[in-house]
Amino acid sequence: NAGVTQTPKFQVLKTGQSMTLQCAQDMNHNSMYWYRQDPGMGLRLIYYSASEGTTDKGEVPNGYNVSRLNKREFSLRLESAAPSQTSVYFCASSEWQGSMEYFGPGTRLTVL
Amino acid sequence: RKEVEQDPGPFNVPEGATVAFNCTYSNSASQSFFWYRQDCRKEPKLLMSVYSSGNEDGRFTAQLNRASQYISLLIRDSKLSDSATYLCVVRQTGANNLFFGTGTRLTVIP
Repeated sequence: NAGVTQTPKFQVLKTGQSMTLQCAQDMNHNSMYWYRQDPGMGLRLIYYSASEGTTDKGEVPNGYNVSRLNKREFSLRLESAAPSQTSVYFCASSEWQGSMEYFGPGTRLTVL
Repeated sequence: RKEVEQDPGPFNVPEGATVAFNCTYSNSASQSFFWYRQDCRKEPKLLMSVYSSGNEDGRFTAQLNRASQYISLLIRDSKLSDSATYLCVVRQTGANNLFFGTGTRLTVIP
């Protein structure tokens, strides 16, 4: 079991570029989440997917879109990156909404 | 007001010491509580759930005080490997996700 995997591990973008962060889990979990973590701010929820076929906004959704491709995969897209999106992005999954979450290793994104 | 508040520390303690962290939460309807551990430049990992009656896992003890809306984590006989940031996590009734505190940093010194 790999648990939750994320790609890429590191990325540098220029302002205005787009990219997609990939996330997959092999635990047959129903719910998946995208967070960003900034110094002094803690983990903030961007989007979540309670179950396959559904997605909802979290606390800080502006500038992002998501796709729940299937039960295993949940991607996060930045259409036009901004320096304020420089952060560490974590994907997580849980058996159901609100149960304990398991995190991927994170993607360190820098937007210049 | 933040949903979950923690003292950021840092707490610097010698090996073998006992250390305790507290965390307060704002919503009295919160119903699930966890402690996560996050090592430097790594992902958060579940340390333990917190039950109403309190629970213990080896050197770690978690307590919940619903009346005062705080949870605590006690670490006995600290090891160097306990050095990490400890995140307090709360789920509110009817909420779709967990709320994370900003974490308390612990360094255990030889």
